[in-house]
Amino acid sequence: GNSVTQMEGPVTLSEEAFLTINCTYTATGYPSLFWYVQYPGEGLQLLLKATKADDKGSNKGFEATYRKETTSFHLEKGSVQVSDSAVYFCALSHQGAQKLVFGQGTRLTINP
Amino acid sequence: EAGVTQFPSHSVIEKGQTVTLRCDPISGHDNLYWYRRVMGKEIKFLLHFVKESKQDESGMPNNRFLAERTGGTYSTLKVQPAELEDSGVYFCASSPQNTEAFFGQGTRLTVV
Repeated sequence: GNSVTQMEGPVTLSEEAFLTINCTYTATGYPSLFWYVQYPGEGLQLLLKATKADDKGSNKGFEATYRKETTSFHLEKGSVQVSDSAVYFCALSHQGAQKLVFGQGTRLTINP
Repeated sequence: EAGVTQFPSHSVIEKGQTVTLRCDPISGHDNLYWYRRVMGKEIKFLLHFVKESKQDESGMPNNRFLAERTGGTYSTLKVQPAELEDSGVYFCASSPQNTEAFFGQGTRLTVV
């Protein structure tokens, strides 16, 4: 079946550090890939997405590239801020938004 | 435009009691989804409504869980009787046709 594996957290970084959160997936066919973020006290928000191989999703300085050869969708940001502290979820789906399959989430804390 | 709204935000109940969670999707969104995150693990799909019909309920854990969406508007998820392992955060999401899902803030359920 379909599954998503994220690097285990928590991850703690200093402000302006480089961030990578690894995500790999197992799926049949060509899923769409997503990163969702949950800021403290808020709901899940879509951060970025990619719908086909080699697509790069980007938003708020975050990027992730759909790598079919390595079945990966790693999240990166060149210089993190305290406001990026949140829980990040990698996810996949077939047929658009229907039935998302999530990873276990990675809690990120950025210290000033 | 109002987002996806969930009630209550928190609920603490005793084992064996009944709890009903409510989700108000974004107006006009035919698709409504329920998900659950238990004990810091991955967010798991529970079920998917298209309007008032259950499109996919493959993620419902057992018959103690009953979801309804009368009239294709808001949805309720009832747990009866609640067990300790039902504790977690229950998320609702909605979407128009084949586009990204918008999530609510979640209901944190604690069964003691």
